[in-house]
Amino acid sequence: SQQGEEDPQALSIQEGENATMNCSYKTSINNLQWYRQNSGRGLVHLILIRSNEREKHSGRLRVTLDTSKKSSSLLITASRAADTASYFCATANSGGSNYKLTFGKGTLLTVNP
Amino acid sequence: EAGVTQFPSHSVIEKGQTVTLRCDPISGHDNLYWYRRVMGKEIKFLLHFVKESKQDESGMPNNRFLAERTGGTYSTLKVQPAELEDSGVYFCASSLTGANVLTFGAGSRLTVL
Repeated sequence: SQQGEEDPQALSIQEGENATMNCSYKTSINNLQWYRQNSGRGLVHLILIRSNEREKHSGRLRVTLDTSKKSSSLLITASRAADTASYFCATANSGGSNYKLTFGKGTLLTVNP
Repeated sequence: EAGVTQFPSHSVIEKGQTVTLRCDPISGHDNLYWYRRVMGKEIKFLLHFVKESKQDESGMPNNRFLAERTGGTYSTLKVQPAELEDSGVYFCASSLTGANVLTFGAGSRLTVL
């Protein structure tokens, strides 16, 4: 598997449901970030969680980090049609630079109205 | 505040031709980065500028790629001669010094026929 690999690759849910996306990585990290990309748009930063943090919230987003399992999850609660996008996790690896992010292939989330 | 601007949004060229992609970072951001996503693969780091200097170009795939940032403002990424495997989306990002979060542009989609 790749560093920063998301699971599932595609997820389709109904509006109002929760969406959970997972990310696994291989190396030690400084931080892990989640980005969103709407079709034809750039990557938008959603949330950053540091390696010494276990959980973080931002609005309807909840991110967890388990460094022992080298995994993270992104939960979007009460999803909306506007949440339809591709979601990527990206890691800034220990010993490296925080700008040199390692991305996964992304999860395509479709929220049906 | 204007975001990171990339031009063109989409370029279609034939193998062997030259293409130049341009990125205008957020005003005041000394750090500028290029990433790319080739079809079906992860988004990967190409290089990092601090002002006009190349800080890290470890991700540049080969010498057909030339990035410049004269004057430390906008940056160009030239591909010469383009090959089929260069097709993908080229993202530019910028950040303030010391920042953990990058602001990405919408990307320039390159199609090499």
